[in-house]
Amino acid sequence: LAKTTQPISMDSYEGQEVNITCSHNNIATNDYITWYQQFPSQGPRFIIQGYKTKVTNEVASLFIPADRKSSTLSLPRVSLSDTAVYYCLVGDNQGGKLIFGQGTELSVKP
Amino acid sequence: GAVVSQHPSWVICKSGTSVKIECRSLDFQATTMFWYRQFPKQSLMLMATSNEGSKATYEQGVEKDKFLINHASLTLSTLTVTSAHPEDSSFYICSAMFSLNQPQHFGDGTRLSIL
Repeated sequence: LAKTTQPISMDSYEGQEVNITCSHNNIATNDYITWYQQFPSQGPRFIIQGYKTKVTNEVASLFIPADRKSSTLSLPRVSLSDTAVYYCLVGDNQGGKLIFGQGTELSVKP
Repeated sequence: GAVVSQHPSWVICKSGTSVKIECRSLDFQATTMFWYRQFPKQSLMLMATSNEGSKATYEQGVEKDKFLINHASLTLSTLTVTSAHPEDSSFYICSAMFSLNQPQHFGDGTRLSIL
């Protein structure tokens, strides 16, 4: 399973764009990249998933370069409620297990 | 959207008690469910993979006789912590996949406290 590396923590202010980069040098050809958000005492919540280039939904964008060895989650105009831990995972979406890395603890300040 | 429900959300019991946690997929059939454990300020640790109609696959270091998993139907998997002790106190989370090429969806977790 591909290992992921993310910054342990990040600080931001309300209204700013936040970019969290994840490194996954050993990503396999069939692997997708998935990001989850977790608040304290809750299960992780799906944010976005992608395979290559760019994916955008109503809450975030995911940028994946051609070599797919990294990915960047972009959160536009964060608010205090975006304070959470963000996890980047890679997996083949074929029923295989996911291994969580340490995640990035994002703190949004007023 | 897909919803995974866990019950109970919080349980306190005495040492030596066995505790059962349920994980249900509410609006889809899940052939595969996963059980995780999370300690405070740490990441999720995969405990086992639960497959409907077959034995669960446990990760290295997880005692299968301690953490009994049953996946008797396509919408329900249960985790039983047998003869629980204080060191078993943790946050237990399940997840499910409702189809291939789709991401896993997680329950809201069960906080287990053993006195």
